[in-house]
Amino acid sequence: NAGVTQTPKFRVLKTGQSMTLLCAQDMNHEYMYWYRQDPGMGLRLIHYSVGEGTTAKGEVPDGYNVSRLKKQNFLLGLESAAPSQTSVYFCASSSTLPHRGDRGQNEQFFGPGTRLTVL
Amino acid sequence: AQSVAQPEDQVNVAEGNPLTVKCTYSVSGNPYLFWYVQYPNRGLQFLLKYITGDNLVKGSYGFEAEFNKSQTSFHLKKPSALVSDSALYFCAVTPSNKIIFGKGTRLHILP
Repeated sequence: NAGVTQTPKFRVLKTGQSMTLLCAQDMNHEYMYWYRQDPGMGLRLIHYSVGEGTTAKGEVPDGYNVSRLKKQNFLLGLESAAPSQTSVYFCASSSTLPHRGDRGQNEQFFGPGTRLTVL
Repeated sequence: AQSVAQPEDQVNVAEGNPLTVKCTYSVSGNPYLFWYVQYPNRGLQFLLKYITGDNLVKGSYGFEAEFNKSQTSFHLKKPSALVSDSALYFCAVTPSNKIIFGKGTRLHILP
């Protein structure tokens, strides 16, 4: 099993350009997440999905859009990139929500990350 | 406000010595608690979690963590550190409807 994969691994954008980050998981997980990691700030949740066709806002959703057309894929889009979006982006998946440990395996599985630089 | 704190940005330990990475939290109710580890240029990996029951939780790579409800802490421990344990460690806690990650503690194991 590949687990959680992310493409691309690295990307440099100019301000105003758009791009899509792709996340794929082969564990049949219902729940998927997009985080950004910035120095000294830990991980912050951008958007998440509780199932195919659903999305929801996380802690820092502004400037990002997401789609979950297939259960195994979760796409993160930047319509007009800004330097403040320079970050490392991580996708994760889980079989149940982290706060629902009573319903099964609630730990998250993370992809290797995408390092994005916006000039 | 609900929060999780990792009070040390960096911890240095000599190889073979015991290590502790601290985590305290401030959330209501009975949260679940997690430790994740991040090796250079990699995503986070799950180490261990506390759901309920025994306050001492054992996880991967010889790590364990002790849940202390009265002190609202969930410190990560290992009896004998290895150089390969050098990494960034994140504590996470679940309030009622989400997960909050700490800012991370960088662990350096000195040969």
